[in-house]
Amino acid sequence: DAGVTQSPTHLIKTRGQQVTLRCSPKSGHDTVSWYQQALGQGPQFIFQYYEEEERQRGNFPDRFSGHQFPNYSSELNVNALLLGDSALYLCASSTGLAVNEQFFGPGTRLTVL
Amino acid sequence: GQQLNQSPQSMFIQEGEDVSMNCTSSSIFNTWLWYKQDPGEGPVLLIALYKAGELTSNGRLTAQFGITRKDSFLNISASIPSDVGIYFCAGLPSGTYKYIFGTGTRLKVLA
Repeated sequence: DAGVTQSPTHLIKTRGQQVTLRCSPKSGHDTVSWYQQALGQGPQFIFQYYEEEERQRGNFPDRFSGHQFPNYSSELNVNALLLGDSALYLCASSTGLAVNEQFFGPGTRLTVL
Repeated sequence: GQQLNQSPQSMFIQEGEDVSMNCTSSSIFNTWLWYKQDPGEGPVLLIALYKAGELTSNGRLTAQFGITRKDSFLNISASIPSDVGIYFCAGLPSGTYKYIFGTGTRLKVLA
């Protein structure tokens, strides 16, 4: 039973560029949440996708956008990258209409130079 | 962004000792999750709590959902070197899908 997978593992970009991160949820899960984790801090909620729509959004600018596909996989897009966007980006999957346990992937380490 | 208060921030303990940490909020939560994160990896779910007063165990780990629904506690008994890592709590406010994470407790075990 495959767990949550994310790609790529690491990414280096320069300021102003755009990036796309990908996530495949755990088998049987239909909900994907994205988090940003800065060094030394806890994960911060970016948004959650369910039934291919953004169900809830955290306090992040519109430069952060996402998408969920019919197979429940998801993408996180960040435009006009800033130095402060450097972080570990985590994807978490869960199941059902009720929010319950969330399982995280290994993350994508994004470095913006 | 909003984060929950976790204490202690860090702790050194001897192998075999018991460990206690807690997480507090000014808001009421419907669900509490506890995670462990190793450097450079994603958090691993340890325990999930869904009801006020609930006490749940997972091996040497025991967690409790506070009666006021504003706090949660995690205990680790007879710590071993592989318990080293950062422990995060996450709480889910009522009527939302957005988990709020704590600031983390960094645990170091001395053999």
